[in-house]
Amino acid sequence: AAGVIQSPRHLIKEKRETATLKCYPIPRHDTVYWYQQGPGQDPQFLISFYEKMQSDKGSIPDRFSAQQFSDYHSELNMSSLELGDSALYFCASSTHGSSYNSPLHFGNGTRLTVT
Amino acid sequence: KNQVEQSPQSLIILEGKNCTLQCNYTVSPFSNLRWYKQDTGRGPVSLTIMTFSENTKSNGRYTATLDADTKQSSLHITASQLSDSASYICVVSPSEDSWGKLQFGAGTQVVVTP
Repeated sequence: AAGVIQSPRHLIKEKRETATLKCYPIPRHDTVYWYQQGPGQDPQFLISFYEKMQSDKGSIPDRFSAQQFSDYHSELNMSSLELGDSALYFCASSTHGSSYNSPLHFGNGTRLTVT
Repeated sequence: KNQVEQSPQSLIILEGKNCTLQCNYTVSPFSNLRWYKQDTGRGPVSLTIMTFSENTKSNGRYTATLDADTKQSSLHITASQLSDSASYICVVSPSEDSWGKLQFGAGTQVVVTP
């Protein structure tokens, strides 16, 4: 079965550079969520989109922005990268509606390393 | 303070043995509780999901229990296999329509040895 696809799998950037992470949800999933997981930490919710509109916002820095496109894929844009941005960035997708009936599926993540 | 506490932090078990992981939560309101398995460097994979009205849910060798009154859940792994080595994360959802507000536990790192 198709899963959530994230690209790239690994990314190395220098401080103050920009990065773009991509997420392709499971077919027919209309909602996308972005999480940031630092080393040894819980995933922290960043932002979510439903039908190309931002649906919820968490602890996303102002240096980050994201959007969802007409094909439901999403991109997380990160500017002025800092060392502390080094983390595993997960994308998850689901269908809109009851969380019980629409399980959340995670991608394998993009590991961002800022040097 | 984390609203989802898991124990133990790590666990080493012999292949073929059983083990039980604990999850205590203070999240309120409460909608559902999930157990995820996360292999190193990969995304969490859902194992079970339970609402407050469900006491137990099985998925193969994984059996989760929930006591919504005491706000405790457990994940029992039967006849462990080497591939069970992973982090097991308890995730609580405060409401049905708020995926972003998921509360993650810190996970229990399970290592299965031959």
